[in-house]
Amino acid sequence: NAGVTQTPKFQVLKTGQSMTLQCAQDMNHEYMSWYRQDPGMGLRLIHYSVGAGITDQGEVPNGYNVSRSTTEDFPLRLLSAAPSQTSVYFCASSQPHRGEQYFGPGTRLTVT
Amino acid sequence: ILNVEQSPQSLHVQEGDSTNFTCSFPSSNFYALHWYRWETAKSPEALFVMTLNGDEKKKGRISATLNTKEGYSYLYIKGSQPEDSATYLCAPRPDGTASKLTFGTGTRLQVTL
Repeated sequence: NAGVTQTPKFQVLKTGQSMTLQCAQDMNHEYMSWYRQDPGMGLRLIHYSVGAGITDQGEVPNGYNVSRSTTEDFPLRLLSAAPSQTSVYFCASSQPHRGEQYFGPGTRLTVT
Repeated sequence: ILNVEQSPQSLHVQEGDSTNFTCSFPSSNFYALHWYRWETAKSPEALFVMTLNGDEKKKGRISATLNTKEGYSYLYIKGSQPEDSATYLCAPRPDGTASKLTFGTGTRLQVTL
């Protein structure tokens, strides 16, 4: 099992560009989430999904879109990148009851 | 958004020292508490999931206790080793769904020889 995979590992964008961060899991987990990690702020939830076709907003959703067409994939789209979106992004998956989150390796995004 | 506090923010101990840190969370609407270990340049990894008041979990030299009535959990590391250096995160869950975790900002532990 690969667990949770994320691509790319690093990305540099110019302000206003759009891009998609990819996330996939092969553990058949129902739940998937996107977090961003900023110094002094800890992990903050951006969007999450409780199953294919179902998504909802987390704590900091503005500027991001998600969709969940399959159980395995949960891409995060930046619509028009801003310097404030410079961060490390983590995708995670979990099963409903136990709830342990399995994290991907992260994507380091810089917006100039 | 839950109010989760972890203290201290950082800790620097010598190899062999025992140490502990605290996670405070709202005692109302409690379902479970998660502890994670996060090494630099890696991803967070689950340590414990705790659900019952008075619960105690142990993994090697690391243990945790839970008090749901007063809203806190302690993480203990006995005989710290350099490989214990990491940030330790806690995340309370207010209900049975595991979809929305609110993480504390963590306690950063550094263990030196």
